[in-house]
Amino acid sequence: EDQVTQSPEALRLQEGESSSLNCSYTVSGLRGLFWYRQDPGKGPEFLFTLYSAGEEKEKERLKATLTKKESFLHITAPKPEDSATYLCAVQVTIQGAQKLVFGQGTRLTINP
Amino acid sequence: ETGVTQSPTHLIKTRGQQVTLRCSSQSGHNTVSWYQQALGQGPQFIFQYYREEENGRGNFPPRFSGLQFPNYSSELNVNALELDDSALYLCASSLKPPSGANVLTFGAGSRLTVL
Repeated sequence: EDQVTQSPEALRLQEGESSSLNCSYTVSGLRGLFWYRQDPGKGPEFLFTLYSAGEEKEKERLKATLTKKESFLHITAPKPEDSATYLCAVQVTIQGAQKLVFGQGTRLTINP
Repeated sequence: ETGVTQSPTHLIKTRGQQVTLRCSSQSGHNTVSWYQQALGQGPQFIFQYYREEENGRGNFPPRFSGLQFPNYSSELNVNALELDDSALYLCASSLKPPSGANVLTFGAGSRLTVL
């Protein structure tokens, strides 16, 4: 069964304190691994797609990396506006449709 | 370029009632997917519509149904509401057929509370 597990569930950092979020996955036939950001009361906002082990992508203070079993979202010198829930998802095919299987998310809080 | 818009944003129903949620997809997108997100959880796939037909469904009972219209907008209908149906319902649009992984653009969601 396709499964995505994120850790930690919640993380509280001081402004400027770098850290990493983990996403481990079990999937048959990875078509892509996605990172989304979700603010309270809003829908997920796309951050990155990674396709193959060894791939890395960066956007401002965020960098996503991918291995054969997990992905990391590195946050460098975060600011309070980076506070959000970060969702990891893998794309799989079901009955001709492409669906995302999400983890439960990591709730990140950056204190000023 | 307009994003994905959903309505209503919030609604309250009682157990046993029926509800219809609406979604307008992003300009240029022809595929709509619906997800259910319970509080503190990640979104779960309900189903996907392409060319006005359902072409994939997650582990949701038949009382969850949908429609896609010629302008690619969509509806999610839930009959015989249960307390556990209380959740944020997310609509996402994308462009199919994709070459590889395709990015979903999500709306802000409809928050359903069942009493």
